[in-house]
Amino acid sequence: EAGVAQSPRYKIIEKRQSVAFWCNPISGHATLYWYQQILGQGPKLLIQFQNNGVVDDSQLPKDRFSAERLKGVDSTLKIQPAKLEDSAVYLCASSTIAGSGVDEQFFGPGTRLTVL
Amino acid sequence: AQKITQTQPGMFVQEKEAVTLDCTYDTSDPSYGLFWYKQPSSGEMIFLIYQGSYDQQNATEGRYSLNFQKARKSANLVISASQLGDSAMYFCAMREGTSYIPTFGRGTSLIVHP
Repeated sequence: EAGVAQSPRYKIIEKRQSVAFWCNPISGHATLYWYQQILGQGPKLLIQFQNNGVVDDSQLPKDRFSAERLKGVDSTLKIQPAKLEDSAVYLCASSTIAGSGVDEQFFGPGTRLTVL
Repeated sequence: AQKITQTQPGMFVQEKEAVTLDCTYDTSDPSYGLFWYKQPSSGEMIFLIYQGSYDQQNATEGRYSLNFQKARKSANLVISASQLGDSAMYFCAMREGTSYIPTFGRGTSLIVHP
């Protein structure tokens, strides 16, 4: 089966510009996650969707970050305006149903964002 | 306080030898799950192994095993018969109670020498 797809793989922007990332989860996976991974750290969850509804966005900086999953399939994460500290890898992951025991998450290759 | 602590920023091992990657965790919730992920240079996180707090036996998956010591709050990953392809970052993570949000450690970089 096809894995989690993300685009673009790399993005370089200047501070105060806007940027958007796209994620297409594994077919049939109801739960979708966006993580931010700053260099030298583990991933930090930004937002979790169950189908097209938000389950948790408590760690999403809502003044500049937004995310949507309109039809319960693919998702976009947007940053507007970007700051230097947003430089990171943005990982998308999907799973079948959140919280079901192991709930194995399948990750995409990530988008590496550099803000100059 | 850190919920997940990985004290080894980098580890080196000879090919075909075993290696242990350390992970300690902090939680007061009796129900939790512990995960290990591998992140090669290509960037994606690959799920390796899972241990539930109520599981009686240590989890094993092929060459991976989790040395779960509940009283010490440790969940070390043991990789047997290391291969060159095992060179990567390894992350320990925990999910507590009914929360869906996993907390990751800072990772350990493993390099396997031929």
